[in-house]
Amino acid sequence: DTAVSQTPKYLVTQMGNDKSIKCEQNLGHDTMYWYKQDSKKFLKIMFSYNNKELIINETVPNRFSPKSPDKAHLNLHINSLELGDSAVYFCASSQEEGPRDTEAFFGQGTRLTVV
Amino acid sequence: QKEVEQDPGPLSVPEGAIVSLNCTYSNSAFQYFMWYRQYSRKGPELLMYTYSSGNKEDGRFTAQVDKSSKYISLFIRDSQPSDSATYLCAMITNAGKSTFGDGTTLTVKP
Repeated sequence: DTAVSQTPKYLVTQMGNDKSIKCEQNLGHDTMYWYKQDSKKFLKIMFSYNNKELIINETVPNRFSPKSPDKAHLNLHINSLELGDSAVYFCASSQEEGPRDTEAFFGQGTRLTVV
Repeated sequence: QKEVEQDPGPLSVPEGAIVSLNCTYSNSAFQYFMWYRQYSRKGPELLMYTYSSGNKEDGRFTAQVDKSSKYISLFIRDSQPSDSATYLCAMITNAGKSTFGDGTTLTVKP
């Protein structure tokens, strides 16, 4: 059973296109995140949602828009893709309260390549 | 078998203790080794980053990598209650494949 699943695993697309990455967690967690892993391998947080509400919005272009239809899903929409958007995007979730509330479960990543 | 195994914890130590957090891995292609710290309701933040075998020190934190044994550790000296968090090890191949440990929750009691 996959705890945090994101699709697709690989995405190759042309500049200027609009694409979406989906994320779902079946852990009952209240908080979900999107991270970007750049070419230097560092993981940088982009967005965090808690119970469908945005709580963290780091400095990212407004071409990136997260959407949370319910607390189990956090999708990432990217408009007008640019070459610099090529990266691995990780979805993650964590529980808000409880003894394990600092544990984060990550998806396996979506490798986005913009050509 | 998971590619990255992290000591599950949880760990509970008194303030001032030395903490050792450990991960083992099976994929010899891993070249970059990182430790992330995550506080409650926050995303993971990069704590330490190493490339080669050996030790890297940053304040009270020391990251140790032993590629021959496929073993990495994070040591925290003079632990503080503010160190209470979950620590994630992460490993990256040159091809960019990332794998994270499941995390170890640390509680430092005053």
